Amino acid sequence: AQTVTQSQPEMSVQEAETVTLSCTYDTSESNYYLFWYKQPPSRQMILVIRQEAYKQQNATENRFSVNFQKAAKSFSLKISDSQLGDTAMYFCAFMKQSRGSQGNLIFGKGTKLSVKP
Amino acid sequence: GAVVSQHPSRVICKSGTSVKIECRSLDFQATTMFWYRQFPKQSLMLMATSNEGSKATYEQGVEKDKFLINHASLTLSTLTVTSAHPEDSSFYICSATRDYPYNEQFFGPGTRLTVL
Repeated sequence: AQTVTQSQPEMSVQEAETVTLSCTYDTSESNYYLFWYKQPPSRQMILVIRQEAYKQQNATENRFSVNFQKAAKSFSLKISDSQLGDTAMYFCAFMKQSRGSQGNLIFGKGTKLSVKP
Repeated sequence: GAVVSQHPSRVICKSGTSVKIECRSLDFQATTMFWYRQFPKQSLMLMATSNEGSKATYEQGVEKDKFLINHASLTLSTLTVTSAHPEDSSFYICSATRDYPYNEQFFGPGTRLTVL
């Protein structure tokens, strides 16, 4: 079975600074996707970034980038130039990539990020 | 594109009544829909997975007679909480997937259920 662990329940960062959220996972699968989702106070789940396990290059989306270490099963999220609107819960998630997979997501427990002015 | 709606956004009901929550994929046909429950300050807990025209697959510990799921079409799934009790009060989120380019899940905005 796959597990996703986020070891930081809460973090804070000053506006314009950089913060890194940690995520580790455990799986015996070789093909999978990893995701970071943001859940702001509105509680709408928003996809921040996606990484395919077969890609060695780390995914980036504007101010958001990941450090994907496949051998270490680590998938951290770096937020640069933090903005007040980045304040949210952040969930790391795993999805198996296989024929017949329905796309079940396995979520970590989340990290509450507060960006301070 | 890939918008998922949920209705209602919040509902308050009396103990013992049933409540239906709708989840619709507005601009795509969803191969699979998922229902999650989220307690305050916690992660999403998968309740069940449903495919159009098939019986839903429930996660261990989820009472299928209490949480009835109907997936009538490729764009609509409903969750009915039967004989609701205060402990069923929670935030319910649905998501829908499409096959291409991969099984990305698109989330609805959620429904807050309060049972008095």
